[in-house]
Formats: sequence, C-alpha cells, structure tokens
Amino acid sequence: EDQVTQSPEALRLQEGESSSLNCSYTVSGLRGLFWYRQDPGKGPEFLFTLYSAGEEKEKERLKATLTKKESFLHITAPKPEDSATYLCAVLGNFNKFYFGSGTKLNVKP
Amino acid sequence: GAVVSQHPSWVICKSGTSVKIECRSLDFQATTMFWYRQFPKQSLMLMATSNEGSKATYEQGVEKDKFLINHASLTLSTLTVTSAHPEDSSFYICSARDLAGGYGYTFGSGTRLTVV
Repeated sequence: EDQVTQSPEALRLQEGESSSLNCSYTVSGLRGLFWYRQDPGKGPEFLFTLYSAGEEKEKERLKATLTKKESFLHITAPKPEDSATYLCAVLGNFNKFYFGSGTKLNVKP
Repeated sequence: GAVVSQHPSWVICKSGTSVKIECRSLDFQATTMFWYRQFPKQSLMLMATSNEGSKATYEQGVEKDKFLINHASLTLSTLTVTSAHPEDSSFYICSARDLAGGYGYTFGSGTRLTVV
C-alpha cells in the first residue's frame, strides 16, 4: 500500500537547537518528493522538490535530502518564526499525491 | 512564482444550503487542479482531480453529487458543496501545478467552511 509517514508528530526545540524531521515513504513510481510548510488556517507553502536519491536542496535554515526510502528536512539553528507544520508529499504514479500527516514544529525563544 | 488564489477564505452557512468555493491560477494556466480536504490536526486528503473541459475524477468515498466540481477554464475551478451538513465543516484547499514555470504543486490559501 502506498503511504507516507512523517515523524515525529510534534517537535519542540529551543531557538538555535538544530534537528531533523523524517519522511519515509512506500510509494510506487516515485516522481517527486515535496516538502511544504503550513501555518495554522493557511494552505501549504511550497519549500522543496526532490526527484532522485542523493539529491539535496537548501533554503535559508532548511535543507532537504532524499534516499530511496526516506527524506529528511534538516533545520539548522531554528528561529521562532520557523514554527509551523511541515508536510511531506510524494508524487506517485498517475500524478497522485500522497501526503504525510505532518510534523508540528514549535521553536521557543 | 506560481500563485493560486482561493475564495472565500472562510464561510459560514446553514444546513441544507449550498456553498461554492473558487480556485484560480493567477499567473499560469492549469489544465488540472486538485481539491483537498483537511480536518483539524490531520493531513490533506485528496477529494478529486479537476480537469479543464471534462468531468472531474473523484477519490473513493467522495460523493460526486455532493461535491460538484466545475473546471470551465484554464484558470478557474469551482467546488460546490451541495446540501451542506455540519459534518461537511472542514478546511478545503485547492492546488494546481505550473508546468511551464517549472514550479511544484502550488496550493491556495484554503477555505474554512463551517456549517451550522
């Protein structure tokens, strides 16, 4: 069964405390893995797309990596404004998107 | 970058009435748009794929007659929740992909529907 699993469900960090979020997937015909940020009451905001194992992308304090089974979103020296829910989605066959349940990140000053 | 506009951002309606939600791609054409539903503290669940000029494709368990989708142009898709009931209260989000611009799937800002 195609599915995407994110962990942890929630993560509390102190400002400046680096960590990683995990997204593991079992989706046939991977056509891309996407990371989004979602703030309460808003739609997801696009962060990264990764297409093949070994690929990495960076944006400010965020870095996304991809292997054949999982992706990591590394957050370096986070700030309170990085607090949000981070969603992972995998695009499989027939252009179907599979979303993980998200990791709610709370960065305390 | 690609922008998807969704309207309204929130709506309250009475049970039994219908509500229309609009999704527009502002700076690109989208032959395909997607409609999602999100319950509190849960992830997005795909409801249907909207295809310009043809019938929408609904996911298993989604009632076609209740959630009417119309994709009349390359920049506009609408979702109408017919005969709404309190259990239809949710956060509805649309999405589209700007293929020409090379962007990932872009999401609208969502519509919070409350049925009273």
